[in-house]
Amino acid sequence: EAQVTQNPRYLITVTGKKLTVTCSQNMNHEYMSWYRQDPGLGLRQIYYSMNVEVTDKGDVPEGYKVSRKEKRNFPLILESPSPNQTSLYFCASSLYRGSRETQYFGPGTRLLVL
Amino acid sequence: QKEVEQDPGPLSVPEGAIVSLNCTYSNSAFQYFMWYRQYSRKGPELLMYTYSSGNKEDGRFTAQVDKSSKYISLFIRDSQPSDSATYLCAANGGSQGNLIFGKGTKLSVKP
Repeated sequence: EAQVTQNPRYLITVTGKKLTVTCSQNMNHEYMSWYRQDPGLGLRQIYYSMNVEVTDKGDVPEGYKVSRKEKRNFPLILESPSPNQTSLYFCASSLYRGSRETQYFGPGTRLLVL
Repeated sequence: QKEVEQDPGPLSVPEGAIVSLNCTYSNSAFQYFMWYRQYSRKGPELLMYTYSSGNKEDGRFTAQVDKSSKYISLFIRDSQPSDSATYLCAANGGSQGNLIFGKGTKLSVKP
């Protein structure tokens, strides 16, 4: 089954404690991205990657890091989480960064930073 | 001004009603327009996409784009309780562009 998986699905942590949210896709997609979704603000792109070792900032990259060492994996790293990073996070992938390419979204990771 | 504006609702309709969901956009370079559906506690999934102006129909769903007024619409005929979800419009301008999402409209269809 074609899918994007994320782990963990739910996470409660404390300010300053480094965490990683994993994302993996099994569709051999080149393009992957991370979004955060907040009430009243909608989906906002954090980082994206057009291929292995190629990453770039989205609209809200502050406080986040990513890496793309393998085509299938695109982890999101919060080196020193803060309460304003409490949000619902989605990983997404598509074949290319193309206009008509369907973006497949993961199930989401709900993060609470205390 | 955000590039894609969408009324967040919520919108509540009785079963069988025709639903109209709308977005406006400001970037004239946008060429591709999508509608995503997001059920509670799930990730968004692509419902329909259209290129440039015109209509596209898929079953009970019709997507409409009017580039002259920069207006995007999604119509749902004979709405069902299973259509209850948040609907997000999105747009981008070409192969080099990232997708820009509206904030989403929460729809509830009451039996």
